[in-house]
Amino acid sequence: ETGVTQSPTHLIKTRGQQVTLRCSSQSGHNTVSWYQQALGQGPQFIFQYYREEENGRGNFPPRFSGLQFPNYSSELNVNALELDDSALYLCATRQNWENEKLFFGSGTQLSVL
Amino acid sequence: GENVEQHPSTLSVQEGDSAVIKCTYSDSASNYFPWYKQELGKRPQLIIDIRSNVGEKKDQRIAVTLNKTAKHFSLHITETQPEDSAVYFCAATKRGGGSNYKLTFGKGTLLTVNP
Repeated sequence: ETGVTQSPTHLIKTRGQQVTLRCSSQSGHNTVSWYQQALGQGPQFIFQYYREEENGRGNFPPRFSGLQFPNYSSELNVNALELDDSALYLCATRQNWENEKLFFGSGTQLSVL
Repeated sequence: GENVEQHPSTLSVQEGDSAVIKCTYSDSASNYFPWYKQELGKRPQLIIDIRSNVGEKKDQRIAVTLNKTAKHFSLHITETQPEDSAVYFCAATKRGGGSNYKLTFGKGTLLTVNP
């Protein structure tokens, strides 16, 4: 069973606000990525972090940013929230750079009003 | 970039029947293909995966096949049970380091197993 944990589980914001979502990596997993899952869709890759640096980004604007900390935990920050940002945000981790198996957390459900 | 098409979008079967979900991908450089099961309100769970150097992989009632030439891969579930009911996603990516690894998902298949 995956040990990826995310907080908070649910969040309600208004348009224009900023939000920070948090993720604790499964033990020993040093590569973290974030995905956005809109209702009824598959997850979409936002970006990936390795050794505290962004390494790989999907088609998301710069107002989506992130951090990875020395303990491999991670944050996703979204500025200037838009209504279309309403989605489930999933954190996922891999054991290391070479291991392809990706394990997801339960996600943060963000609603933008 | 990579594009993954998945069908059908919904699939209803009787308990004990088999279910097949098919996906196609566009980037011939993709070489890793996982399948995820997502129950309502829960996280996507990795159920099986396959690398491009393998044509088929089985794990109990679940199997995945890959045709690199045609760029398609399929999930096969035999002897379906009500607890198999969920949304299933296929995905594709290049393996390895750098910024190559980014899973591209299909839109999902809602599988319903009727008792």
